[in-house]
Amino acid sequence: QLQLQESGPRLVKPSETLSLTCTISGGFINAASHYCGWIRQPPGKGLEWIGTFYYTGNTYYSPSLESRVTISVATSKNEFSLKMTSVTAADTAVYYCVRLAKRPGKALREWDFDLWGRGTLVTVSS
Amino acid sequence: QSVLTQPPSVSGAPGQRVTISCTGSRSNIGAGYDVHWYQQLAGSAPKLLIYGTNNRPSGVPDRFSGSKSGTSASLGITGLQPEDEADYYCQSFDSSLSGSYVFGTGTTVTVL
Repeated sequence: QLQLQESGPRLVKPSETLSLTCTISGGFINAASHYCGWIRQPPGKGLEWIGTFYYTGNTYYSPSLESRVTISVATSKNEFSLKMTSVTAADTAVYYCVRLAKRPGKALREWDFDLWGRGTLVTVSS
Repeated sequence: QSVLTQPPSVSGAPGQRVTISCTGSRSNIGAGYDVHWYQQLAGSAPKLLIYGTNNRPSGVPDRFSGSKSGTSASLGITGLQPEDEADYYCQSFDSSLSGSYVFGTGTTVTVL
Protein backbone atom coordinates (compact mmCIF):
# COMPACT_ATOMS: atom_id res chain seq x y z
CA GLN A 1 0.00 0.00 0.00
CA LEU A 2 1.25 3.44 -0.95
CA GLN A 3 2.65 5.50 1.92
CA LEU A 4 3.96 9.06 2.09
CA GLN A 5 6.59 10.36 4.50
CA GLU A 6 7.70 13.96 4.94
CA SER A 7 11.24 14.90 5.93
CA GLY A 8 13.32 18.03 6.25
CA PRO A 9 14.52 20.70 8.69
CA ARG A 10 12.11 21.40 11.55
CA LEU A 11 13.43 24.92 12.17
CA VAL A 12 13.91 27.60 9.55
CA LYS A 13 15.02 31.18 10.07
CA PRO A 14 12.86 34.08 8.86
CA SER A 15 13.59 35.18 5.27
CA GLU A 16 15.23 31.84 4.49
CA THR A 17 13.96 28.96 2.34
CA LEU A 18 11.88 26.09 3.68
CA SER A 19 12.71 22.77 2.02
CA LEU A 20 10.80 19.53 2.52
CA THR A 21 10.88 16.15 0.81
CA CYS A 22 8.12 13.56 0.52
CA THR A 23 9.25 9.99 0.01
CA ILE A 24 6.83 7.51 -1.52
CA SER A 25 6.94 3.85 -0.52
CA GLY A 26 4.82 0.93 -1.64
CA GLY A 27 4.39 2.33 -5.14
CA PHE A 28 5.87 4.53 -7.85
CA ILE A 29 5.50 8.25 -8.29
CA ASN A 30 5.16 7.91 -12.06
CA ALA A 31 2.30 5.44 -11.80
CA ALA A 32 -0.78 6.38 -13.75
CA SER A 33 -3.28 8.67 -12.09
CA HIS A 34 -0.98 9.86 -9.34
CA TYR A 35 -1.22 13.56 -8.72
CA CYS A 36 0.51 14.58 -5.48
CA GLY A 37 1.05 17.77 -3.56
CA TRP A 38 1.36 19.62 -0.29
CA ILE A 39 -1.10 20.93 2.29
CA ARG A 40 -0.25 22.79 5.49
CA GLN A 41 -1.91 23.45 8.83
CA PRO A 42 -0.74 26.20 11.21
CA PRO A 43 -0.88 25.14 14.87
CA GLY A 44 -4.47 25.17 16.08
CA LYS A 45 -5.79 26.32 12.70
CA GLY A 46 -7.31 24.93 9.54
CA LEU A 47 -5.96 23.34 6.37
CA GLU A 48 -4.46 25.23 3.43
CA TRP A 49 -3.68 23.80 -0.01
CA ILE A 50 -0.19 24.74 -1.22
CA GLY A 51 0.17 23.05 -4.59
CA THR A 52 -0.27 19.95 -6.72
CA PHE A 53 1.83 18.30 -9.43
CA TYR A 54 1.89 15.42 -11.90
CA TYR A 55 5.12 13.54 -12.47
CA THR A 56 5.25 14.75 -16.09
CA GLY A 57 5.79 18.27 -14.81
CA ASN A 58 2.33 19.85 -14.65
CA THR A 59 2.14 21.92 -11.49
CA TYR A 60 -0.61 24.00 -9.91
CA TYR A 61 -0.11 26.37 -6.99
CA SER A 62 -2.28 28.27 -4.56
CA PRO A 63 -2.58 31.83 -5.91
CA SER A 64 -1.68 33.19 -2.47
CA LEU A 65 1.59 31.24 -2.32
CA GLU A 66 2.53 30.86 -5.99
CA SER A 67 5.22 33.55 -5.94
CA ARG A 68 7.16 31.76 -3.19
CA VAL A 69 6.56 28.07 -3.81
CA THR A 70 8.12 25.45 -6.07
CA ILE A 71 7.18 21.78 -6.16
CA SER A 72 9.49 19.44 -8.04
CA VAL A 73 9.75 15.70 -8.51
CA ALA A 74 12.70 13.32 -8.49
CA THR A 75 11.22 10.31 -10.27
CA SER A 76 14.38 8.22 -9.95
CA LYS A 77 14.27 8.66 -6.18
CA ASN A 78 10.50 8.19 -5.95
CA GLU A 79 10.17 11.46 -4.08
CA PHE A 80 9.01 15.02 -4.53
CA SER A 81 9.91 18.22 -2.80
CA LEU A 82 8.56 21.57 -1.64
CA LYS A 83 10.54 24.79 -1.52
CA MET A 84 9.11 27.95 -0.03
CA THR A 85 11.18 31.12 -0.11
CA SER A 86 11.23 34.19 2.15
CA VAL A 87 9.45 32.48 5.02
CA THR A 88 7.99 34.32 7.99
CA ALA A 89 6.45 33.21 11.28
CA ALA A 90 3.13 32.90 9.43
CA ASP A 91 4.58 29.93 7.56
CA THR A 92 4.97 27.95 10.79
CA ALA A 93 2.77 24.91 10.26
CA VAL A 94 2.49 21.16 9.98
CA TYR A 95 3.23 20.34 6.35
CA TYR A 96 1.55 17.28 4.84
CA CYS A 97 2.39 15.59 1.56
CA VAL A 98 -0.75 14.22 -0.07
CA ARG A 99 -2.06 12.26 -3.04
CA LEU A 100 -5.13 13.18 -5.03
CA ALA A 101 -7.48 10.35 -5.93
CA LYS A 102 -8.53 10.12 -9.56
CA ARG A 103 -12.25 9.53 -9.63
CA PRO A 104 -13.95 8.17 -12.78
CA GLY A 105 -15.60 10.87 -14.83
CA LYS A 106 -14.29 13.68 -12.63
CA ALA A 107 -11.94 16.49 -13.61
CA LEU A 108 -8.78 17.16 -11.60
CA ARG A 109 -10.41 20.09 -9.83
CA GLU A 110 -12.94 17.72 -8.26
CA TRP A 111 -10.50 15.10 -7.01
CA ASP A 112 -10.10 14.58 -3.29
CA PHE A 113 -7.01 14.04 -1.11
CA ASP A 114 -7.23 10.35 -0.32
CA LEU A 115 -3.77 9.71 1.09
CA TRP A 116 -1.85 11.83 3.59
CA GLY A 117 1.60 11.65 5.12
CA ARG A 118 1.89 11.92 8.90
CA GLY A 119 2.97 15.53 8.59
CA THR A 120 6.01 17.41 9.85
CA LEU A 121 5.98 20.57 11.96
CA VAL A 122 8.16 23.33 10.58
CA THR A 123 8.80 26.31 12.83
CA VAL A 124 9.99 29.62 11.45
CA SER A 125 11.99 31.39 14.12
CA SER A 126 15.34 33.04 14.62
CA GLN B 1 -8.53 32.79 4.61
CA SER B 2 -11.00 29.87 4.37
CA VAL B 3 -13.77 30.45 1.86
CA LEU B 4 -15.93 27.64 3.20
CA THR B 5 -17.60 28.35 6.55
CA GLN B 6 -18.33 25.70 9.16
CA PRO B 7 -19.66 26.00 12.73
CA PRO B 8 -16.74 25.97 15.21
CA SER B 9 -18.23 23.17 17.25
CA VAL B 10 -21.11 20.73 17.53
CA SER B 11 -21.81 18.21 20.25
CA GLY B 12 -24.09 15.31 20.96
CA ALA B 13 -24.63 12.38 23.26
CA PRO B 14 -23.64 8.87 22.21
CA GLY B 15 -26.17 7.46 19.80
CA GLN B 16 -27.49 10.83 18.71
CA ARG B 17 -27.28 12.39 15.25
CA VAL B 18 -25.26 15.52 14.56
CA THR B 19 -24.94 17.58 11.40
CA ILE B 20 -22.09 19.81 10.29
CA SER B 21 -22.78 22.49 7.71
CA CYS B 22 -20.34 23.84 5.14
CA THR B 23 -21.37 27.12 3.54
CA GLY B 24 -19.72 28.33 0.37
CA SER B 25 -20.58 30.55 -2.57
CA ARG B 26 -21.29 30.57 -6.29
CA SER B 27 -17.61 30.16 -7.13
CA ASN B 28 -17.21 26.88 -5.27
CA ILE B 29 -20.03 24.67 -3.96
CA GLY B 30 -22.62 26.75 -5.78
CA ALA B 31 -20.76 26.21 -9.06
CA GLY B 32 -21.46 22.51 -8.73
CA TYR B 33 -18.04 21.33 -7.59
CA ASP B 34 -17.94 18.20 -5.48
CA VAL B 35 -17.53 18.49 -1.71
CA HIS B 36 -15.27 16.20 0.29
CA TRP B 37 -15.01 15.71 4.04
CA TYR B 38 -12.04 14.84 6.23
CA GLN B 39 -11.81 13.66 9.82
CA GLN B 40 -8.82 14.67 11.91
CA LEU B 41 -8.33 12.89 15.21
CA ALA B 42 -6.25 14.66 17.83
CA GLY B 43 -2.57 14.63 16.92
CA SER B 44 -3.13 12.84 13.61
CA ALA B 45 -3.21 13.69 9.94
CA PRO B 46 -6.59 14.25 8.31
CA LYS B 47 -8.31 11.20 6.85
CA LEU B 48 -10.70 11.17 3.90
CA LEU B 49 -14.21 10.53 5.20
CA ILE B 50 -16.55 11.39 2.32
CA TYR B 51 -15.67 12.07 -1.32
CA GLY B 52 -17.76 13.29 -4.20
CA THR B 53 -20.33 14.80 -1.81
CA ASN B 54 -21.84 11.50 -0.64
CA ASN B 55 -19.44 8.59 -1.22
CA ARG B 56 -17.62 6.73 1.54
CA PRO B 57 -14.14 5.24 1.04
CA SER B 58 -13.73 1.62 2.00
CA GLY B 59 -13.66 1.21 5.76
CA VAL B 60 -15.67 4.31 6.64
CA PRO B 61 -18.83 3.36 8.57
CA ASP B 62 -22.17 4.09 6.97
CA ARG B 63 -22.98 6.26 9.99
CA PHE B 64 -21.30 9.04 8.03
CA SER B 65 -23.16 10.62 5.13
CA GLY B 66 -22.90 13.73 2.99
CA SER B 67 -25.25 15.93 1.02
CA LYS B 68 -25.19 19.17 -0.95
CA SER B 69 -27.74 21.81 -1.90
CA GLY B 70 -27.15 25.15 -3.53
CA THR B 71 -24.09 26.81 -2.03
CA SER B 72 -23.94 24.55 1.03
CA ALA B 73 -23.09 21.00 1.98
CA SER B 74 -23.60 18.93 5.10
CA LEU B 75 -21.98 16.02 6.87
CA GLY B 76 -24.25 13.86 9.01
CA ILE B 77 -23.13 11.49 11.72
CA THR B 78 -25.78 9.11 13.04
CA GLY B 79 -25.38 6.90 16.08
CA LEU B 80 -22.61 9.14 17.43
CA GLN B 81 -19.73 7.16 18.96
CA PRO B 82 -16.98 8.31 21.36
CA GLU B 83 -14.41 7.64 18.64
CA ASP B 84 -16.13 10.21 16.42
CA GLU B 85 -14.75 12.99 18.60
CA ALA B 86 -12.51 14.85 16.19
CA ASP B 87 -12.16 17.87 13.92
CA TYR B 88 -13.99 17.73 10.59
CA TYR B 89 -13.19 19.74 7.46
CA CYS B 90 -15.08 20.17 4.22
CA GLN B 91 -13.19 20.78 0.97
CA SER B 92 -14.09 21.81 -2.55
CA PHE B 93 -12.68 23.74 -5.50
CA ASP B 94 -12.98 27.49 -5.98
CA SER B 95 -12.89 28.90 -9.49
CA SER B 96 -12.17 32.49 -8.52
CA LEU B 97 -8.74 33.96 -9.27
CA SER B 98 -6.65 31.17 -10.76
CA GLY B 99 -8.64 28.46 -9.05
CA SER B 100 -7.63 26.51 -6.00
CA TYR B 101 -8.65 23.74 -3.68
CA VAL B 102 -10.27 25.26 -0.61
CA PHE B 103 -11.06 23.96 2.84
CA GLY B 104 -13.67 24.78 5.42
CA THR B 105 -12.88 26.48 8.72
CA GLY B 106 -13.23 23.19 10.58
CA THR B 107 -15.69 21.87 13.16
CA THR B 108 -14.88 20.17 16.43
CA VAL B 109 -17.29 17.39 17.31
CA THR B 110 -17.59 16.63 21.01
CA VAL B 111 -19.27 13.48 22.28
CA LEU B 112 -20.89 14.34 25.59
